[in-house]
Amino acid sequence: DQQVKQNSPSLSVQEGRISILNCDYTNSMFDYFLWYKKYPAEGPTFLISISSIKDKNEDGRFTVFLNKSAKHLSLHIVPSQPGDSAVYFCAASDRKLVFGQGTRLTINP
Amino acid sequence: DVKVTQSSRYLVKRTGEKVFLECVQDMDHENMFWYRQDPGLGLRLIYFSYDVKMKEKGDIPEGYSVSREKKERFSLILESASTNQTSMYLCASSFGGLPEAFFGQGTRLTVV
Repeated sequence: DQQVKQNSPSLSVQEGRISILNCDYTNSMFDYFLWYKKYPAEGPTFLISISSIKDKNEDGRFTVFLNKSAKHLSLHIVPSQPGDSAVYFCAASDRKLVFGQGTRLTINP
Repeated sequence: DVKVTQSSRYLVKRTGEKVFLECVQDMDHENMFWYRQDPGLGLRLIYFSYDVKMKEKGDIPEGYSVSREKKERFSLILESASTNQTSMYLCASSFGGLPEAFFGQGTRLTVV
């Protein structure tokens, strides 16, 4: 049973526009949600997180929104840059991290 | 900077071989994890450990075992490698009670 789901395997966005990546979860006991970025042949790197008691967290070009009633979170990247092209994983924490399937983001010049 | 180091970037092993994947972290983290990444399936947790000499099964432990004799080192063992264990293996560590985990560079294992 997939507790964390990313339903879009891929997303293509023009440089300078907003990228929105989505994630749904089923377990209301998760206390933190995180986004990781992964380049090919490298380990994932932490991007941004949000506590379950908040609904928004911002860090530079990256903002994560949490809608607990809908069990949904999203990552907004604005403006999108070519270096943002990577696979993005959302993860939920119940002391260990449970990951979604990932979304491949491609930023087109 | 936190460093999580996996012993090999690429590994090719034969079916039936016993395979050891080593992971070392330098930040005195209590928690260590082994994941595998496969296309379309994301990262799936194999085993984790919250302390020395303790281990817990993750979502897909079958065919694997682990060892944590020292706090900084967490080893993943494939008892008898099979072709369906061909994958990218990722080790991670974190402080107890904090959600953010730091990952190693990954080991691409091919079983032939």
